[in-house]
Amino acid sequence: DTGVSQNPRHKITKRGQNVTFRCDPISEHNRLYWYRQTLGQGPEFLTYFQNEAQLEKSRLLSDRFSAERPKGSFSTLEIQRTEQGDSAMYLCASSLAAGTGGGSPLHFGNGTRLTVT
Amino acid sequence: AQKVTQAQTEISVVEKEDVTLDCVYETRDTTYYLFWYKQPPSGELVFLIRRNSFDEQNEISGRYSWNFQKSTSSFNFTITASQVVDSAVYFCALSEANSGGSNYKLTFGKGTLLTVNP
Repeated sequence: DTGVSQNPRHKITKRGQNVTFRCDPISEHNRLYWYRQTLGQGPEFLTYFQNEAQLEKSRLLSDRFSAERPKGSFSTLEIQRTEQGDSAMYLCASSLAAGTGGGSPLHFGNGTRLTVT
Repeated sequence: AQKVTQAQTEISVVEKEDVTLDCVYETRDTTYYLFWYKQPPSGELVFLIRRNSFDEQNEISGRYSWNFQKSTSSFNFTITASQVVDSAVYFCALSEANSGGSNYKLTFGKGTLLTVNP
């Protein structure tokens, strides 16, 4: 179990630029989640995938945000035309859905900290 | 809508003191899951415990213990004989259960910053 891996760890960008983050989940996990955490707050759900299908998106996910999980393995989160309000920690998590026992808990990565200047 | 309230924003204790972190939740679901996560300064969210709504048995793991009371919608976390390494932000979270009964989307509280002083 190598854990959930996120790249990059830090990203500084200028307002208006596009950025893309990558998440590699725990290999046997079929669910992958994106969360956003701002200073002093708990993480907020953005979206999640089961295998390659994006099953739910939060209202927080504006049309400038897009997430993909093309082969049901790694995922990317892209933010277009970044704004200063997008500055936050972007967390990825994965879990295993199962028919019994509630599946596995969500395991989180270290996050990507985005700063928009 | 689901909601998690952690009324204690910050707690400061001296090493070896016991400390309890409070968590109150709201949900209309009959099947749900409750979690505690630890977030040290490094930023990674570390899973501590998950309970499902049908299991009110309290749990102890080393210096950690959890008290789940459905009657008061609370899921409190106690650290016994606290240590400096326990210093972190602790989050309580609530998950719906999907049609298959698995936990998935989490709703987090705002967290409690615990500082354990030597």
